[in-house]
Amino acid sequence: AQSVAQPEDQVNVAEGNPLTVKCTYSVSGNPYLFWYVQYPNRGLQFLLKYITGDNLVKGSYGFEAEFNKSQTSFHLKKPSALVSDSALYFCAVRDIGAAGNKLTFGGGTRVLVKP
Amino acid sequence: GAVVSQHPSRVICKSGTSVKIECRSLDFQATTMFWYRQFPKQSLMLMATSNEGSKATYEQGVEKDKFLINHASLTLSTLTVTSAHPEDSSFYICSARLSGGAQEQFFGPGTRLTVL
Repeated sequence: AQSVAQPEDQVNVAEGNPLTVKCTYSVSGNPYLFWYVQYPNRGLQFLLKYITGDNLVKGSYGFEAEFNKSQTSFHLKKPSALVSDSALYFCAVRDIGAAGNKLTFGGGTRVLVKP
Repeated sequence: GAVVSQHPSRVICKSGTSVKIECRSLDFQATTMFWYRQFPKQSLMLMATSNEGSKATYEQGVEKDKFLINHASLTLSTLTVTSAHPEDSSFYICSARLSGGAQEQFFGPGTRLTVL
């Protein structure tokens, strides 16, 4: 079975400082990895994905994530956080070899960027 | 990117009534759509996978007779909460998957259901 762990319920960072949101995953085959952001009472917005190729993936709004196979991690990063980045962030994985091909979400990490 | 819409965005109903939520892929065809439920401050819980022209596949613990899913076309799936009760109050989010390639999923804006 596939699973995703986001070890931090909340991350607090000052505006202008680097932001990191951690994610580790477990799959039996090869993973597709995704990051989504959710603002209050809204659906999920796609940020970026890793399918294959370069381990460093660049996405929307200045976010990037690094796929680390040996550590089974896919941490989300932004060099300089903005107050508007305050939101709920979800990491998700799909095991491309698994039956059903479903997306499994982590528990979410709330990011609070303080001015 | 591809756009998924949901209607209504918010609904309040009395206990015992049924509520229908629509999910549409606006600029692409989605052979597969997904329905999620999200409780406050929690992650998304997959309720069912909806394939166009066939019966939905429900996750363990989700009552198929209570949460009726219809996927009649490649751009529309509906979720009907039958005989709703206050414990059904939640945020319901649909998602549509592009066929082929990475099969990326795009999410609707969600529907807030409140059952009085």
